[in-house]
Amino acid sequence: KAGVTQTPRYLIKTRGQQVTLSCSPISGHRSVSWYQQTPGQGLQFLFEYFSETQRNKGNFPGRFSGRQFSNSRSEMNVSTLELGDSALYLCASSMGAGGLYNEQFFGPGTRLTVL
Amino acid sequence: QKEVEQDPGPLSVPEGAIVSLNCTYSNSAFQYFMWYRQYSRKGPELLMYTYSSGNKEDGRFTAQVDKSSKYISLFIRDSQPSDSATYLCALSRTGGGNKLTFGTGTQLKVEL
Repeated sequence: KAGVTQTPRYLIKTRGQQVTLSCSPISGHRSVSWYQQTPGQGLQFLFEYFSETQRNKGNFPGRFSGRQFSNSRSEMNVSTLELGDSALYLCASSMGAGGLYNEQFFGPGTRLTVL
Repeated sequence: QKEVEQDPGPLSVPEGAIVSLNCTYSNSAFQYFMWYRQYSRKGPELLMYTYSSGNKEDGRFTAQVDKSSKYISLFIRDSQPSDSATYLCALSRTGGGNKLTFGTGTQLKVEL
């Protein structure tokens, strides 16, 4: 069974630009969550989608947005990039909407560098 | 104060040692407990998933949860150089969907 895939793996952008990252979950999984990982803040939750609906949102500015498609693939978008947005962006896939027996599996991440 | 506290290390042990990694948490609403391993420049890999107080064993790994003390541990027996990585505890709440709250991660090095 294929794992979680994320594209692109590496991205370099300049301040003020926008970026779109993509995540394909494990086949049969309906939930995708996004996280930002930085050396200073660690792994922080961005948002979660289940069956095309955003169910949870972390404490990030509105520049960070996402969506999920009917095939469970998800995209996240960051507009007006700032230097502090440089991070590893990870997506996690799970079968259900949370709770018992709902393991989450991470993709390899997209490393975004903002210059 | 952070919801989940984890000693960042680094922790250096000789090959074959028993490693103990720990996290404490403050909110009793956390009911599901996970340990992830992350190698440098890779995504986190799920090692253990538990939801009740007590021990859960899987090969060389044992996860321990003490809900009364709000304390979780991961033990690695017969540690190998390939275990060198960052270990992250992750917790989720009942009714919190799939949102995971992570510890800062402990960097482990197993030396020959």
